[in-house]
Parts: sequence; C-alpha cells; structure tokens
Amino acid sequence: SSELTQDPAVSVALGQTVKITCQGDSLRSNFAAWYQQRPGQAPLLVMYGQNNRGPGIPDRISGYFSGNTASLTIAGAQAGDESDYYCASRDITGSLVVFGGGTRLTV
Amino acid sequence: EVKLVESGGALVQPGRSLRLSCTTSGFNFDDFAMHWVRQVPGKGLQWVSGIDFDGGSVAYAHFVRGRFAISRDNAKRTLYLQLNGLTAEDTAFYFCAKDILVGATRLSPSFDSWGQGTLVAVS
Repeated sequence: SSELTQDPAVSVALGQTVKITCQGDSLRSNFAAWYQQRPGQAPLLVMYGQNNRGPGIPDRISGYFSGNTASLTIAGAQAGDESDYYCASRDITGSLVVFGGGTRLTV
Repeated sequence: EVKLVESGGALVQPGRSLRLSCTTSGFNFDDFAMHWVRQVPGKGLQWVSGIDFDGGSVAYAHFVRGRFAISRDNAKRTLYLQLNGLTAEDTAFYFCAKDILVGATRLSPSFDSWGQGTLVAVS
C-alpha cells in the first residue's frame, strides 16, 4: 500500500476546473511533486517544491498544500490534460521517496 | 538537451541477476542525485532507489530487501542498478530519473528528466 493516497479516477468537463488531491502524513513536513504520464510515455514533472511548475508547464496549472493534503488544480481543462497524475514526496522518515497510487483524469 | 538512456533490461528466470545502466548527457551528471523508478505495465509508479550526487548516500524502497544495489560512475556519466534474486514481482519497466536539486545530499521527490525505460521480465 502507498503512504500517499490519491483518488483512482477523476473527471472534468472541457474548459472546467478540476482538483486532484494527494493525502499522507509525510506531507505535513515534506513538499509533494506532481507528475503527468500519458500512455506509453515517461512521466513529466508538473509541479514541485513550494508550488513551482515544471519546465514548460502553463500557469493554468497550480499546486496547493494544507495539512496532510497536497492538491493539483488544472483550470480550463483541455483534451491534452487527459492523463494519469501521480504525486510523490518523501516518506514519513524523510529518507525515502514514495509515490501515490495515481489518478486517471478524464476530460 | 538532457538525455537519459536506460539499457540492460531482459527476460530472465527467477533468482537470476541483471545490471541496468543509464547513460546520460546534456547536464553536469556529478552535480545531481539520480533515481530508479519502476512501473509494472498498466500499474502505478514505484520508487526503487536513489543515490546522491557523489555516491556517498544511497536509499532503497523497503520492498528491495537488500536485493538491489544502486551505484554511479561520474567519470562515465552513468547510473547503475544491480538486480539480484529477481522474482516475478520485479517484472516492470525500470526508469532512471534525474533529481532537480543541484548538489543536494538529501534525495528529493522531484525528477525533472526521465529516460524511456527498460523492461525487466522475470519468468
């Protein structure tokens, strides 16, 4: 089982805003990173650290932290946003890296 | 342009060993921690191991249980993962990934470049 919990699937209408969440005790003291992965491709860094966007990521994508929850918000959802999204962080010891189970976003 | 290219994946029998390599270019390899992440086809991402920029500190996921060993050769700009005692549960694509932090001695979960992966099949 993953120490980071994500909803398995989320859907959003074209042009609307969607929030994908990641919960875990380690998030109280560690930042999360977010990755987008399309079928057959390597993951792409979307957000990291204190809400920094990965290279080339548009500003309609943003991150937020509160307590033990990290969230990724995609505004103005486009067909190209349809992907699997994974959160990652350090584990509760701060020494290892863990991934969430992933969220499949349908637009 | 940053490039990471994995190699060494193969079909092997249970109990056998493999060594994966990740050759890199386009960045100062010896400034960055590196990681291995695996993915069973159709399943989620699973962090396997990480090594800091000079190889002085390594870490492994709990499921590794002493079977794998990560290493790096900064002169060759290459990352390695030695896989021993392979089981069917180790069947997956293995990706190498570059940590985003420069000169960090503590591994981060932020990987800004990934290879395309190499398939390890145990059967």
